[in-house]
This record gives sequence, C-alpha cells and structure tokens, in this order.
Amino acid sequence: DAGVIQSPRHEVTEMGQEVTLRCKPISGHNSLFWYRQTMMRGLELLIYFNNNVPIDDSGMPEDRFSAKMPNASFSTLKIQPSEPRDSAVYFCASRGLAGNNEQFFGPGTRLTVL
Amino acid sequence: EDQVTQSPEALRLQEGESSSLNCSYTVSGLRGLFWYRQDPGKGPEFLFTLYSAGEEKEKERLKATLTKKESFLHITAPKPEDSATYLCAVQEGDSSYKLIFGSGTRLLVRP
Repeated sequence: DAGVIQSPRHEVTEMGQEVTLRCKPISGHNSLFWYRQTMMRGLELLIYFNNNVPIDDSGMPEDRFSAKMPNASFSTLKIQPSEPRDSAVYFCASRGLAGNNEQFFGPGTRLTVL
Repeated sequence: EDQVTQSPEALRLQEGESSSLNCSYTVSGLRGLFWYRQDPGKGPEFLFTLYSAGEEKEKERLKATLTKKESFLHITAPKPEDSATYLCAVQEGDSSYKLIFGSGTRLLVRP
C-alpha cells in the first residue's frame, strides 16, 4: 500500500517567492495534518483537517501560511511570501477512522528559503 | 504547560548492549502516548501506542512501557539498523487529535 505522498521532496527558493507544498494522504484516511520540524522547535502541528474541513489552524505561524484540502486525496500548504525563517522540513500525516490517533507521516519536504 | 521531555538527547551503544530511552510527560490527563522512529531524511514511522499505566508493547527488539509519569523504550541487544532518532508524543485527554512531541533521542548502535 502506498503511504503518504509529498512533493516536492526538496525546495530551494528565494525570499519573497511563493512556495506550494503538496500532500496525498493514505487512501481511506479522513484526517490530515501538516507539521513543521526544526532543530530548535522540534515537530509542531500547523493545521489539522477532518473530512476535508480545517478544524484547528492555531499552529499556522502567520497569515503568510495557508492550507487547503479540496478533496479527500489532496492537500496543499502555501507560503506567500516566503522568508528565510520558514526554512524547515514540512511533514504531512494522515489518520484513519479507527478511533485511535495513530498518525502516519509522509517523507517530508525540505524547504530552504535563501 | 504541557511538556514532553526525552532523555538522553543522544545515546551510543555497542551492538548487543541493551539500554532504555526515557520519555517523561506532564499533561492534564493522558489519552495516549506514542513512540515513533525517525531515520535521517525520512518522516517519523509509527511504532507503538500506550494508553494506560502498566501497559507494555513489544516489537522485535523494542519494548515500550508506561507509568503515570513516564514511558520507557527498552532496546534489547540492539543492532546497527536500530540507529535512528526515537520520538515520543503524548495526546492529552481533552484532545482527539493533537500530539505534543518530545525533542527525541538520537540512538547510534555501533557494530
């Protein structure tokens, strides 16, 4: 079975540019999470979707960040404009209907903003 | 403030040298404690979920245990392929989804 798929795996951009990260959750999973991982702050939850609806976006750092989930098999995280402090690894995770909170992570996108 | 603290930050073992990693937590009611393994350049890989004090779970050379204040990940006779960062996360009682992650323990097993 395919796991969570993320693209691109690496992204290098210049400050001020728009960045779009993409995620395809595991088929049949109804919850999707976006996380950011840095050395200083570890893994942090940015936003949580349930049945394609954003439930908790309190972790989104600023208005420069936005996320969408137009359907059950696709989500995007957009940063506009990007800043050097946004450099991090961004993970998407999904969770099924089983009632537990076992979240399955994608391989991540390593973002570098110059 | 809810906190998850993992120790040690880094651990070097010889192949076959058993040891334990610690995850201590302070949350207002524990709904679940999760262990993940993360290899360099990859996403966290789910290992175990523990729900109540006294619970234990095993997978190959790994055994996770839980008390009211902390969890241990015991590694028995580790092999070099067990080298990774091990992350602990807790889910507090009033949340159906939010995980609070610790900073991880970097484990290196030398042949």
